[in-house]
Amino acid sequence: DAGVTQSPTHLIKTRGQQVTLRCSPISGHKSVSWYQQVLGQGPQFIFQYYEKEERGRGNFPDRFSARQFPNYSSELNVNALLLGDSALYLCASSSASVQETQYFGPGTRLLVL
Amino acid sequence: DAKTTQPNSMESNEEEPVHLPCNHSTISGTDYIHWYRQLPSQGPEYVIHGLTSNVNNRMASLAIAEDRKSSTLILHRATLRDAAVYYCIQTHTGANSKLTFGKGITLSVRP
Repeated sequence: DAGVTQSPTHLIKTRGQQVTLRCSPISGHKSVSWYQQVLGQGPQFIFQYYEKEERGRGNFPDRFSARQFPNYSSELNVNALLLGDSALYLCASSSASVQETQYFGPGTRLLVL
Repeated sequence: DAKTTQPNSMESNEEEPVHLPCNHSTISGTDYIHWYRQLPSQGPEYVIHGLTSNVNNRMASLAIAEDRKSSTLILHRATLRDAAVYYCIQTHTGANSKLTFGKGITLSVRP
């Protein structure tokens, strides 16, 4: 079985631009969570979606949005990029709630210039 | 947010056991303790989790204190591949559950 996949693997944007990151969960998993990891820090929770509904939101500005599709894949959108948005963006899937084991993808590394 | 505290770093020799401590003094009765690790240039991976009793799996053992305010992740024989950042995470039950990562403990393994 394929693990969690994310695309693209790397991305370079300039300030003010918008970016869309994609995640495909493990087959059969209905929950997808997004995390931001800045260099030297642990991942920080951004969103959790379960069955296409938002179940949790971290302390991130409204420039960050996400959605989950009927096939349980997910997109994370970030508008009006700032230099501080440069980070590794991780997607994790699980069969249900976060009490279940979370399976992480390799991440998308975003650099904002 | 549930918060755990861990040392910043630890060193171990290859083939020796490693004990990684974690304090979670604010834990409540239904909170689980999860451990994840992150190898260089990879996403985090699940290691083990527990509620009250000690737990074993093929990767590690988790020893939870009787008062549940601390726990220890035990790697029985460290290998070079175990060099990683290890995160101890306290998870709440509920619809808005999430993983709250701290900085973790960086484990170095000497050959």
